[in-house]
Amino acid sequence: EPEVTQTPSHQVTQMGQEVILRCVPISNHLYFYWYRQILGQKVEFLVSFYNNEISEKSEIFDDQFSVERPDGSNFTLKIRSTKLEDSAMYFCASSWPLGVPTGELFFGEGSRLTVL
Amino acid sequence: DAKTTQPTSMDCAEGRAANLPCNHSTISGNEYVYWYRQIHSQGPQYIIHGLKNNETNEMASLIITEDRKSSTLILPHATLRDTAVYYCIAAKDSNYQLIWGAGTKLIIKP
Repeated sequence: EPEVTQTPSHQVTQMGQEVILRCVPISNHLYFYWYRQILGQKVEFLVSFYNNEISEKSEIFDDQFSVERPDGSNFTLKIRSTKLEDSAMYFCASSWPLGVPTGELFFGEGSRLTVL
Repeated sequence: DAKTTQPTSMDCAEGRAANLPCNHSTISGNEYVYWYRQIHSQGPQYIIHGLKNNETNEMASLIITEDRKSSTLILPHATLRDTAVYYCIAAKDSNYQLIWGAGTKLIIKP
C-alpha cells in the first residue's frame, strides 16, 4: 500500500539553527500539507501546497517557515533559526482532488524535532 | 468550518462494538464529517467520512443523523489495537486545512 514517508524520524538541533524536514508524498497525489503537534497538544495545520505554490497557510506558518517541492517526489519544510517552541512532531500529508474530498489525507509517521 | 464536540474519553471491552459520538450542531450543508484516529503519537490515520448518508468501509461505520447535527463512529468488533485518540472533523470539500480538536481517547480493555 502506498504511503507517505518522512525523514528524519527524529532530529535534535540547537536553538537558532536551520532544519529541513523531508517528505515523499504518495506518487499520484497533488496536494501536500504540513501539520505539527506539540507534545500533548492538538494537531495544528501549518500549510498546504498545490501546483508548486502555497494554497493556504496558518498563522503559525510565518517567515521562519518555508516549503518547497524541489523535484518531482520530495516535499520539504524548512525552519529557519529554530526556537525552543518549535519542538514538536511534524507530520506531512498528501491527498488528491480528483473526485475525492480533500479532507481524506494520508499522513506520514512524523518527524520529531527537538530544539535545545 | 463547524466546531465539533466529542467526549474526552471512553472505554470499551475487547470484541464489543465501540460507538464514538460527535456533535456538530453548526455544520453547514456542504461540510463533510471526517473521522481520523491517532495511535500513540503516530501519524493520524483516515478512517471514514460522510456527507449525509450512512457510510461503511472495512474499518468502521459512520452514522449521521438526519439533521446532520451529530454522528456516531462505530468500530464493530473493537480490538486492543483500536486504542487511540479518535478525531471527528467537519470540513468543506476543497478545504485545505483540517481543524483538529482534542478528540476522544478510546481505551479498549481486555
